[in-house]
Amino acid sequence: GAVVSQHPSWVICKSGTSVKIECRSLDFQATTMFWYRQFPKQSLMLMATSNEGSKATYEQGVEKDKFLINHASLTLSTLTVTSAHPEDSSFYICSASGTSGGETQYFGPGTRLLVL
Amino acid sequence: GEDVEQSLFLSVREGDSSVINCTYTDSSSTYLYWYKQEPGAGLQLLTYIFSNMDMKQDQRLTVLLNKKDKHLSLRIADTQTGDSAIYFCAEKYQAGTALIFGKGTTLSVSS
Repeated sequence: GAVVSQHPSWVICKSGTSVKIECRSLDFQATTMFWYRQFPKQSLMLMATSNEGSKATYEQGVEKDKFLINHASLTLSTLTVTSAHPEDSSFYICSASGTSGGETQYFGPGTRLLVL
Repeated sequence: GEDVEQSLFLSVREGDSSVINCTYTDSSSTYLYWYKQEPGAGLQLLTYIFSNMDMKQDQRLTVLLNKKDKHLSLRIADTQTGDSAIYFCAEKYQAGTALIFGKGTTLSVSS
């Protein structure tokens, strides 16, 4: 089956620094990637939809200048949390769907971010 | 707006069947999904069903869809302790769009 990886799997950083999270589709080309955020014991909340070669579409309430998304190729999307603060600590999960826009989204294993 | 509702907890004994229920509001959903999340891990796709189907079975998993009532269920036969996890119901309206998730049902299996 299709595999999506994320790197790093966890990161601890100081308040005010920026953190970049990578999401890669390993064995298929992903025209669309999605970034979700999950707080403890809660559901996944969509942050943004990223299409290869174009600007990401952000959900209401998500600051695009704080959560920078780049989808430069069909296999890689990055999420950069700029000037991170403790309230940005969360579990970030990406998913990808293939070039056919098919029925299945494949999820990465997630990145746990802790901002001190 | 779109909304997916699930009960929060389910507790069963090992060997019993588990039934996790989900309701959704948008009748134009094209696909409905069940994902499993173990502690500290990402989401694992268990199964999905197209909106024009009533039932789908895959080994121990049976998905039932009542489109009229907008009700989806996941039945796990012969539940094992390894099935303990959070189960998310999700819906999608069309290809290329994001999934809308329920809050998840925590399944606890006791031996």
